[in-house]
This record gives sequence, C-alpha cells and structure tokens, in this order.
Amino acid sequence: GQNIDQPTEMTATEGAIVQINCTYQTSGFNGLFWYQQHAGEAPTFLSYNVLDGLEEKGRFSSFLSRSKGYSYLLLKELQMKDSASYLCAALDSNYQLIWGAGTKLIIKP
Amino acid sequence: GAVVSQHPSWVICKSGTSVKIECRSLDFQATTMFWYRQFPKQSLMLMATSNEGSKATYEQGVEKDKFLINHASLTLSTLTVTSAHPEDSSFYICSATLGGNDNNEQFFGPGTRLTVL
Repeated sequence: GQNIDQPTEMTATEGAIVQINCTYQTSGFNGLFWYQQHAGEAPTFLSYNVLDGLEEKGRFSSFLSRSKGYSYLLLKELQMKDSASYLCAALDSNYQLIWGAGTKLIIKP
Repeated sequence: GAVVSQHPSWVICKSGTSVKIECRSLDFQATTMFWYRQFPKQSLMLMATSNEGSKATYEQGVEKDKFLINHASLTLSTLTVTSAHPEDSSFYICSATLGGNDNNEQFFGPGTRLTVL
C-alpha cells in the first residue's frame, strides 16, 4: 500500500532550527511536496523535490533521497508565525498526491 | 502565482438540505481540479478528481451520488453535498493544477467550512 509517515508533533524554540522528517512508500514516484497549513486555513505550497538533494529557499530547505524514500523540511531562524502543521505529500505514478497526516510544529519563545 | 478561490468560505445548514461549493481558478485554466475533505486534526483526504468536461473520479468510500461534482469549464468546478447530515460537517478544500507532467503543483483554494446542524 501507499503510506506517508511523519511525526505527529514537534516543539522548537524561537530562533532555533528544526527538521521535520518524512518517509514515503508509493506506487511510483513523481516528486515530493511540503505544504504549510495554519489552523483553519488551506495548505500553502512550500517546496517540491523530484531529484535527490537539498533545495534551499530562504529560511526553509527541503531534502530528498529517492533511494531511501525519505525527505525532510528544515526550518531555520524559527519565528512564532512558523507555528503550523507541515504536510508531506508524495506524487505517485498516477500523479495523485498521497498525503501524510501532518506534523504540528509548536514554537515556544 | 496561480490563485484559486472558493465560495462560500463557510456555511451552516440544516440537516437534509443541499449545499453547493464553488471552486474557481482566477488567473489560469485548470485542467484538473481536486476536492479534499479535512476533519479536525487530520490530514487532507482526497474525495475526487475532476477533469473539465468529463465525469469526476471518486475515491473509494466517497459516494458519488451524495457528493456531486461538476467541472463545467476550465476555471470552475462545483461540489454539491446533497442531503447533508451532521457527519458531513468538515473543511472542504479544492485545488487545481495547470496540467501536464511538468506542472504537478496543486494550488489550493482557501477552503469552505461546512457545519450541518
């Protein structure tokens, strides 16, 4: 079956760095997305990786290892507004998104 | 970036009534639109995929006669929840893609919160 695993909840301190891991098992693979979702709002796009390696975009970076079925989202210089759920989603062979349950990130001052 | 709107943002209705939710791509033509449902503290659950001019493809366990999807144009898809019941109360989110294998990003609408009394 298809499956996405990511931690349910993480806590970090303002100004620090946090890494949110995601492992996936899908029928075929056409890339991996990370989305941010604040409570009561729709997800917003953060990153898309289809090739191995690290993609950096400002304070956020995303890494992919296709051979390991593994990705992580790295958030630097954490701000209080980064408190949100972070959703990992893999695109399968039918170009359908398989969603993880999301990681709730709590930022403490 | 591409903008997707949804209307209404929230709706409260009585049990047994039908509710229509609109999803529009404002500045691009969406070949494919997706409808998701999200219950509190859970991830998005894909309900159906719709392509303009053809019947929607529903996910297993989603009743197509209860959740009617119409994708009449490249910029508009509608989801009608027929004979809504309290268990249908949820956050409904649509998304759209530009289409083609090189445009995999889904652009999400702001969501519609449905409460059925």
